[in-house]
Amino acid sequence: GQNIDQPTEMTATEGAIVQINCTYQTSGFNGLFWYQQHAGEAPTFLSYNVLDGLEEKGRFSSFLSRSKGYSYLLLKELQMKDSASYLCAVRDQSGGSYIPTFGRGTSLIVHP
Amino acid sequence: GAGVSQSPRYKVTKRGQDVALRCDPISGHVSLYWYRQALGQGPEFLTYFNYEAQQDKSGLPNDRFSAERPEGSISTLTIQRTEQRDSAMYRCASSLVAGDEQYFGPGTRLTVT
Repeated sequence: GQNIDQPTEMTATEGAIVQINCTYQTSGFNGLFWYQQHAGEAPTFLSYNVLDGLEEKGRFSSFLSRSKGYSYLLLKELQMKDSASYLCAVRDQSGGSYIPTFGRGTSLIVHP
Repeated sequence: GAGVSQSPRYKVTKRGQDVALRCDPISGHVSLYWYRQALGQGPEFLTYFNYEAQQDKSGLPNDRFSAERPEGSISTLTIQRTEQRDSAMYRCASSLVAGDEQYFGPGTRLTVT
Protein backbone atom coordinates (compact mmCIF):
# COMPACT_ATOMS: atom_id res chain seq x y z
CA GLY A 1 0.00 0.00 0.00
CA GLN A 2 0.91 3.63 0.14
CA ASN A 3 1.96 5.84 3.01
CA ILE A 4 0.74 9.36 2.23
CA ASP A 5 1.61 12.31 4.42
CA GLN A 6 0.17 15.84 4.31
CA PRO A 7 0.12 18.61 6.90
CA THR A 8 -3.12 18.62 8.83
CA GLU A 9 -3.79 22.33 8.69
CA MET A 10 -2.38 25.50 7.14
CA THR A 11 -3.35 29.14 7.30
CA ALA A 12 -2.64 31.90 4.80
CA THR A 13 -3.63 35.44 3.96
CA GLU A 14 -5.92 36.50 1.14
CA GLY A 15 -3.86 37.44 -1.91
CA ALA A 16 -0.83 35.42 -0.82
CA ILE A 17 0.69 32.20 -2.18
CA VAL A 18 0.54 28.90 -0.32
CA GLN A 19 2.24 25.57 -0.98
CA ILE A 20 0.66 22.35 0.28
CA ASN A 21 3.04 19.40 0.37
CA CYS A 22 2.36 15.71 -0.02
CA THR A 23 4.91 12.95 0.44
CA TYR A 24 4.27 9.33 -0.33
CA GLN A 25 5.91 5.92 -0.27
CA THR A 26 4.82 3.42 -2.87
CA SER A 27 6.40 0.61 -4.85
CA GLY A 28 4.47 1.06 -8.09
CA PHE A 29 3.74 4.76 -8.49
CA ASN A 30 1.37 5.43 -11.34
CA GLY A 31 0.05 8.95 -10.83
CA LEU A 32 -0.91 11.53 -8.25
CA PHE A 33 -4.13 13.52 -7.97
CA TRP A 34 -5.11 16.62 -6.04
CA TYR A 35 -8.72 17.22 -5.02
CA GLN A 36 -10.40 20.15 -3.31
CA GLN A 37 -13.15 19.57 -0.78
CA HIS A 38 -15.18 22.39 0.73
CA ALA A 39 -16.77 21.73 4.09
CA GLY A 40 -19.86 19.59 3.73
CA GLU A 41 -19.33 19.02 0.01
CA ALA A 42 -17.91 16.34 -2.26
CA PRO A 43 -14.26 16.32 -3.35
CA THR A 44 -13.67 17.86 -6.79
CA PHE A 45 -10.72 17.12 -9.07
CA LEU A 46 -8.00 19.76 -9.34
CA SER A 47 -4.96 18.22 -11.02
CA TYR A 48 -3.13 15.09 -12.08
CA ASN A 49 0.62 14.45 -12.35
CA VAL A 50 2.31 11.31 -13.59
CA LEU A 51 5.60 12.75 -14.92
CA ASP A 52 8.07 14.93 -13.06
CA GLY A 53 7.56 18.65 -13.27
CA LEU A 54 5.02 21.38 -12.87
CA GLU A 55 1.48 21.37 -14.22
CA GLU A 56 -0.12 24.82 -14.25
CA LYS A 57 -3.83 25.45 -14.37
CA GLY A 58 -4.80 29.04 -13.69
CA ARG A 59 -4.14 30.01 -10.08
CA PHE A 60 -3.38 26.40 -9.17
CA SER A 61 -0.21 24.47 -10.04
CA SER A 62 0.91 21.00 -9.04
CA PHE A 63 4.45 19.68 -8.96
CA LEU A 64 5.75 16.12 -8.85
CA SER A 65 9.13 14.57 -8.14
CA ARG A 66 8.88 10.80 -8.47
CA SER A 67 12.43 10.16 -7.24
CA LYS A 68 11.68 12.03 -4.01
CA GLY A 69 8.14 10.73 -3.57
CA TYR A 70 6.99 14.32 -3.29
CA SER A 71 4.32 16.58 -4.70
CA TYR A 72 3.02 20.00 -3.89
CA LEU A 73 -0.02 22.04 -4.77
CA LEU A 74 0.64 25.73 -5.23
CA LEU A 75 -2.21 28.18 -4.86
CA LYS A 76 -1.60 31.76 -5.98
CA GLU A 77 -3.57 34.96 -5.37
CA LEU A 78 -5.47 33.28 -2.58
CA GLN A 79 -9.15 34.03 -2.24
CA MET A 80 -11.43 33.42 0.71
CA LYS A 81 -13.25 30.76 -1.29
CA ASP A 82 -10.02 28.73 -1.40
CA SER A 83 -10.60 27.82 2.25
CA ALA A 84 -11.13 24.07 1.95
CA SER A 85 -9.49 20.72 2.49
CA TYR A 86 -6.95 19.66 -0.16
CA LEU A 87 -6.58 15.92 -0.69
CA CYS A 88 -3.58 14.21 -2.22
CA ALA A 89 -4.32 10.79 -3.76
CA VAL A 90 -1.70 8.36 -5.10
CA ARG A 91 -2.28 5.61 -7.63
CA ASP A 92 -0.17 2.50 -7.16
CA GLN A 93 -0.22 -0.28 -9.72
CA SER A 94 1.99 -2.74 -7.82
CA GLY A 95 -0.95 -4.75 -6.51
CA GLY A 96 -2.72 -4.79 -9.84
CA SER A 97 -5.19 -2.19 -8.67
CA TYR A 98 -5.43 1.24 -10.20
CA ILE A 99 -7.41 2.76 -7.40
CA PRO A 100 -5.90 5.89 -5.85
CA THR A 101 -5.41 6.00 -2.11
CA PHE A 102 -6.25 9.29 -0.44
CA GLY A 103 -4.27 11.10 2.20
CA ARG A 104 -6.08 12.60 5.17
CA GLY A 105 -6.16 16.05 3.55
CA THR A 106 -4.82 19.46 4.47
CA SER A 107 -7.32 21.97 5.82
CA LEU A 108 -6.45 25.41 4.43
CA ILE A 109 -7.83 28.47 6.17
CA VAL A 110 -7.59 31.74 4.24
CA HIS A 111 -8.05 34.86 6.34
CA PRO A 112 -8.41 38.51 5.28
CA GLY B 1 -24.87 16.93 -17.76
CA ALA B 2 -25.95 15.22 -14.56
CA GLY B 3 -23.30 14.39 -12.04
CA VAL B 4 -23.14 11.49 -9.62
CA SER B 5 -26.21 11.25 -7.44
CA GLN B 6 -26.74 9.35 -4.21
CA SER B 7 -29.81 8.54 -2.17
CA PRO B 8 -30.84 8.94 0.46
CA ARG B 9 -28.78 11.98 1.44
CA TYR B 10 -29.42 11.28 5.12
CA LYS B 11 -30.33 8.03 6.78
CA VAL B 12 -31.01 7.44 10.44
CA THR B 13 -31.49 3.84 11.44
CA LYS B 14 -31.61 1.79 14.58
CA ARG B 15 -28.85 -0.60 15.49
CA GLY B 16 -29.47 -4.02 13.99
CA GLN B 17 -31.41 -2.80 10.96
CA ASP B 18 -30.23 -3.26 7.37
CA VAL B 19 -29.67 -0.23 5.13
CA ALA B 20 -29.23 0.13 1.38
CA LEU B 21 -27.43 3.11 -0.08
CA ARG B 22 -27.84 3.91 -3.73
CA CYS B 23 -25.45 5.49 -6.23
CA ASP B 24 -26.27 6.64 -9.75
CA PRO B 25 -22.98 7.35 -11.61
CA ILE B 26 -22.34 9.61 -14.58
CA SER B 27 -23.71 7.99 -17.70
CA GLY B 28 -21.03 6.12 -19.61
CA HIS B 29 -18.58 5.88 -16.73
CA VAL B 30 -17.14 2.39 -16.57
CA SER B 31 -15.82 2.52 -13.02
CA LEU B 32 -17.77 3.09 -9.83
CA TYR B 33 -16.26 3.36 -6.36
CA TRP B 34 -17.57 3.36 -2.81
CA TYR B 35 -15.76 5.24 -0.04
CA ARG B 36 -16.37 6.01 3.60
CA GLN B 37 -15.22 9.37 4.90
CA ALA B 38 -14.85 10.37 8.53
CA LEU B 39 -14.79 14.02 9.50
CA GLY B 40 -11.37 15.53 8.91
CA GLN B 41 -10.12 12.51 6.98
CA GLY B 42 -9.72 11.60 3.34
CA PRO B 43 -12.05 9.11 1.65
CA GLU B 44 -11.37 5.52 2.69
CA PHE B 45 -11.72 2.99 -0.12
CA LEU B 46 -14.37 0.28 0.29
CA THR B 47 -14.92 -1.36 -3.09
CA TYR B 48 -15.09 -0.67 -6.82
CA PHE B 49 -16.65 -1.98 -10.01
CA ASN B 50 -15.80 -1.98 -13.68
CA TYR B 51 -19.13 -2.30 -15.47
CA GLU B 52 -21.03 -4.88 -13.39
CA ALA B 53 -17.96 -6.74 -12.14
CA GLN B 54 -16.74 -6.09 -8.63
CA GLN B 55 -12.99 -5.72 -9.09
CA ASP B 56 -11.81 -5.11 -5.57
CA LYS B 57 -13.66 -5.39 -2.28
CA SER B 58 -10.62 -5.37 -0.04
CA GLY B 59 -11.75 -2.23 1.75
CA LEU B 60 -15.09 -3.60 2.98
CA PRO B 61 -14.73 -3.73 6.79
CA ASN B 62 -16.46 -7.07 7.31
CA ASP B 63 -19.04 -9.39 5.81
CA ARG B 64 -21.95 -7.19 6.90
CA PHE B 65 -21.00 -4.91 4.01
CA SER B 66 -21.76 -5.83 0.42
CA ALA B 67 -22.19 -4.03 -2.87
CA GLU B 68 -23.58 -4.74 -6.28
CA ARG B 69 -23.91 -3.10 -9.67
CA PRO B 70 -26.03 -5.62 -11.57
CA GLU B 71 -26.48 -3.76 -14.86
CA GLY B 72 -23.25 -1.84 -14.86
CA SER B 73 -24.87 1.45 -13.94
CA ILE B 74 -26.62 2.04 -10.59
CA SER B 75 -24.94 0.53 -7.56
CA THR B 76 -26.19 -0.35 -4.09
CA LEU B 77 -24.09 -0.60 -0.95
CA THR B 78 -25.83 -2.69 1.68
CA ILE B 79 -24.97 -2.81 5.35
CA GLN B 80 -26.63 -5.58 7.32
CA ARG B 81 -27.24 -5.55 11.07
CA THR B 82 -25.95 -2.00 11.39
CA GLU B 83 -23.81 -1.01 14.35
CA GLN B 84 -23.10 2.42 15.80
CA ARG B 85 -19.54 2.29 14.45
CA ASP B 86 -21.01 2.19 10.92
CA SER B 87 -22.13 5.82 11.32
CA ALA B 88 -20.25 7.83 8.70
CA MET B 89 -20.48 9.65 5.38
CA TYR B 90 -20.62 7.14 2.55
CA ARG B 91 -19.49 8.53 -0.79
CA CYS B 92 -19.78 7.13 -4.26
CA ALA B 93 -17.59 8.20 -7.19
CA SER B 94 -17.36 7.29 -10.83
CA SER B 95 -14.72 7.64 -13.52
CA LEU B 96 -14.54 7.07 -17.24
CA VAL B 97 -12.05 4.26 -16.76
CA ALA B 98 -10.45 2.67 -13.71
CA GLY B 99 -7.98 4.92 -11.91
CA ASP B 100 -8.96 8.02 -13.86
CA GLU B 101 -10.03 11.31 -12.22
CA GLN B 102 -13.05 10.64 -10.09
CA TYR B 103 -16.36 12.47 -9.86
CA PHE B 104 -17.86 12.25 -6.41
CA GLY B 105 -21.47 12.23 -5.37
CA PRO B 106 -22.86 14.31 -2.48
CA GLY B 107 -22.73 11.34 -0.11
CA THR B 108 -25.14 9.63 2.25
CA ARG B 109 -24.81 10.57 5.91
CA LEU B 110 -25.62 7.41 7.85
CA THR B 111 -26.40 7.63 11.55
CA VAL B 112 -26.95 4.45 13.53
CA THR B 113 -28.69 5.00 16.86
